[in-house]
Amino acid sequence: NAGVTQTPKFQVLKTGQSMTLQCAQDMNHNSMYWYRQDPGMGLRLIYYSASEGTTDKGEVPNGYNVSRLNKREFSLRLESAAPSQTSVYFCASSATGGTRYTEAFFGQGTRLTVV
Amino acid sequence: AQSVSQHNHHVILSEAASLELGCNYSYGGTVNLFWYVQYPGQHLQLLLKYFSGDPLVKGIKGFEAEFIKSKFSFNLRKPSVQWSDTAEYFCAVVKAGNNRKLIWGLGTSLAVNP
Repeated sequence: NAGVTQTPKFQVLKTGQSMTLQCAQDMNHNSMYWYRQDPGMGLRLIYYSASEGTTDKGEVPNGYNVSRLNKREFSLRLESAAPSQTSVYFCASSATGGTRYTEAFFGQGTRLTVV
Repeated sequence: AQSVSQHNHHVILSEAASLELGCNYSYGGTVNLFWYVQYPGQHLQLLLKYFSGDPLVKGIKGFEAEFIKSKFSFNLRKPSVQWSDTAEYFCAVVKAGNNRKLIWGLGTSLAVNP
């Protein structure tokens, strides 16, 4: 039972480099999320996808793009990495539909350092 | 704006001590409430949740939380903590019916000394 799988687990980038964080879930969830977690700042939503083909900006979308490739996969792209994007990134998914909301299930996280 | 406040940022306890972590939210409508735990180096896991019904909810590992609507609170409790409870604890609130607006507290770091 894999749940939410994120790759890679660790990454070091140089300023200006690009990369894509991959996320896949096998729980048939409609909604998927990308968060970043920074010390003292809790979890901040970067982007959200309510269903395949739809994405919405969260609190801190600048510098990121996302793609909901299909129901299972939701990728996060950094086009030109900056030191301010050094963080731990979490992908999550939840079963939502209409007025129903269930808890979010999280991936293991990606620790990204931009130098 | 909706917000979630966790009053204690850092808590240090000895094993067998009782724990209560505060969580207050600002939204006045119907809400769903969650406590998540993040053990060192790991991802967030659901500890317990409240959707409706009995305001006293029990979660995993002996944790419980009480929803007090009049106080906009959802405090987390455990009668006797263990060293393995050392972790970061996050309270989260979502407006019922709104898929997206999961609002997170900043977290409380709990250290339990053996």
